[in-house]
Amino acid sequence: DVKVTQSSRYLVKRTGEKVFLECVQDMDHENMFWYRQDPGLGLRLIYFSYDVKMKEKGDIPEGYSVSREKKERFSLILESASTNQTSMYLCASSSSITDIQDTGELFFGEGSRLTVL
Amino acid sequence: DQQVKQNSPSLSVQEGRISILNCDYTNSMFDYFLWYKKYPAEGPTFLISISSIKDKNEDGRFTVFLNKSAKHLSLHIVPSQPGDSAVYFCAASYMDSNYQLIWGAGTKLIIKP
Repeated sequence: DVKVTQSSRYLVKRTGEKVFLECVQDMDHENMFWYRQDPGLGLRLIYFSYDVKMKEKGDIPEGYSVSREKKERFSLILESASTNQTSMYLCASSSSITDIQDTGELFFGEGSRLTVL
Repeated sequence: DQQVKQNSPSLSVQEGRISILNCDYTNSMFDYFLWYKKYPAEGPTFLISISSIKDKNEDGRFTVFLNKSAKHLSLHIVPSQPGDSAVYFCAASYMDSNYQLIWGAGTKLIIKP
């Protein structure tokens, strides 16, 4: 089974703190994604990466950065957390773009619920 | 500007009956549609999909219908079971959408015993 593991299920941080959210997948997938999920807004794409050291902005990249130094690991960084970044953060991976089109197979982690005070 | 809309935040259905979840979209370029299911404290999991060249796709108790002229798709669950209680997300993509799935806001389905 594909496993996408997010390092922290629940975090509480203060405004202005730097926050790291880690995601690791064990299926040698090329593509990795970071989403945030907010009530009434569905899932919104923050950043994605289709290869090591590659990254692309999604719909809402402002206030976030990412790092992909190894194929299996994709990190989301909040340089200076703000209260409007309180959310559920979901990491996902897929083996190729055709997989999403052919099978819909985007594999998600369990999510990291971040609260910024 | 929501390109994928799920207008019902929640839906309550009796166990054994049919559950119908609806999704509307505005972008005529979408050519692939997916449904994901999400339990609390878990990530979404893929449920079923449909290509725009089809109008129906069936997988066990789950059937997705696509009406391109109305830009509408629906997910039917028959018969509904307690384990189907979850949030259901509709998502859409198109060729050259650069890996991006556009997601609806989700519908919380509650199956009553």
